[in-house]
Amino acid sequence: NAGVTQTPKFQVLKTGQSMTLQCAQDMNHNSMYWYRQDPGMGLRLIYYSASEGTTDKGEVPNGYNVSRLNKREFSLRLESAAPSQTSVYFCASSGGDSWGTQYFGPGTRLLVL
Amino acid sequence: SQQGEEDPQALSIQEGENATMNCSYKTSINNLQWYRQNSGRGLVHLILIRSNEREKHSGRLRVTLDTSKKSSSLLITASRAADTASYFCATSSGSARQLTFGSGTQLTVLP
Repeated sequence: NAGVTQTPKFQVLKTGQSMTLQCAQDMNHNSMYWYRQDPGMGLRLIYYSASEGTTDKGEVPNGYNVSRLNKREFSLRLESAAPSQTSVYFCASSGGDSWGTQYFGPGTRLLVL
Repeated sequence: SQQGEEDPQALSIQEGENATMNCSYKTSINNLQWYRQNSGRGLVHLILIRSNEREKHSGRLRVTLDTSKKSSSLLITASRAADTASYFCATSSGSARQLTFGSGTQLTVLP
């Protein structure tokens, strides 16, 4: 039981490049989330998916797109990376009550030059 | 905007002492959760307290919730060096299927 996995662990991009962050969970959870964490700050929600086939914007969605590929997988895409998107990105999932416990992946460290 | 704000931002104690950190929030909530984050890792859920609960225990953790003051506290008793981490409160409110995290308390437990 791997829980929530994220790839890659670390990525360096140049301004304007695109990339997709991958997330998968094996807990049969309905809801999945993407957060970013900047130094000295808590997590801010980028997008979430309450169930397969649905996605909604969070607090900071600009510059990002998401795809809920199936129940297991939820990807985050940066179409044209900017230095302001340098951050650590966390994926999380929760089952049953979407207001309950969230389980987090190990994070992806992204540096945009 | 962040719903929860932790206090203090940083806390340093000796092993064996108790650690208390506080969280204040702005709007009414459905529940409040505490998470721990070790350096370079993802967050790990510690405890959830619902809005109609006032106190909850889990091992060495004790959480209180005062909805009239819109505040919560997390007490870690008999702290260990392994408790060194950042601690975040997160609130769930209204019909939003999301959590709003505070900025965290960095706890250092000295051996």
